[in-house]
Amino acid sequence: IQMTQSPSSLSASVGDRVTITCRASQGISNYLAWFQQKPGKAPKLLIYGASTLQPGVPSRFSGSGSGTDFTLTISSLQPEDVATYYCQKYDSAPRTFGQGTKVDIK
Amino acid sequence: EVQLVESGGGLVQPGGSLRLSCAASRFTFTSYSMNWIRQAPGKGLEWLAYINVGSTSIFYADSVRGRFTISRDNAKNSLYLQMNSLRDEDTAIYYCAREGTGRFDAFDMWGQGTTVTVSS
Repeated sequence: IQMTQSPSSLSASVGDRVTITCRASQGISNYLAWFQQKPGKAPKLLIYGASTLQPGVPSRFSGSGSGTDFTLTISSLQPEDVATYYCQKYDSAPRTFGQGTKVDIK
Repeated sequence: EVQLVESGGGLVQPGGSLRLSCAASRFTFTSYSMNWIRQAPGKGLEWLAYINVGSTSIFYADSVRGRFTISRDNAKNSLYLQMNSLRDEDTAIYYCAREGTGRFDAFDMWGQGTTVTVSS
């Protein structure tokens, strides 16, 4: 199963609503996670089960979707959200990651 | 502190071997399946291998199957990755990550990574 993210990069202003999409080549139910990775750091889990916010993650992050099409939304982009975001399927092996979406501030 | 700490990375020649370790601290290691993931310089994340609590279920990515072996020692709260027949393209930061055993539990904790460089 392939995981395709779009866009590969985006630039937005502080306060903007940002949306990243992830498409699975086959249905994966809700076994979809989103990670944030800042430069030089390990990835951090944001969303699991497609829409459940990991404890401690700001509520401006949200996830939606099921089956093959999923979305990560940042409702109001903040400077500290500059990072690369990855989706991942984990219904079965291989637990494939998307290619990543680099988000920066305009 | 609840954490995962990788070790064992370094410089190795092509064709060589290396064994990575991942030490778990301050959580119940036997409540989690474990995974290895890597990230080549400037590239994205690549999942490599999975092992369940009892080591009865093990999976590998095609890119490492037959060369890498994942294992764990629950008595030592440790995860391992034996890497043989290393290639230039195995150069990466290697992370371990825990995966809860609940229905939708995901990779909720990662180590800081250990760097492997394969070069002559």
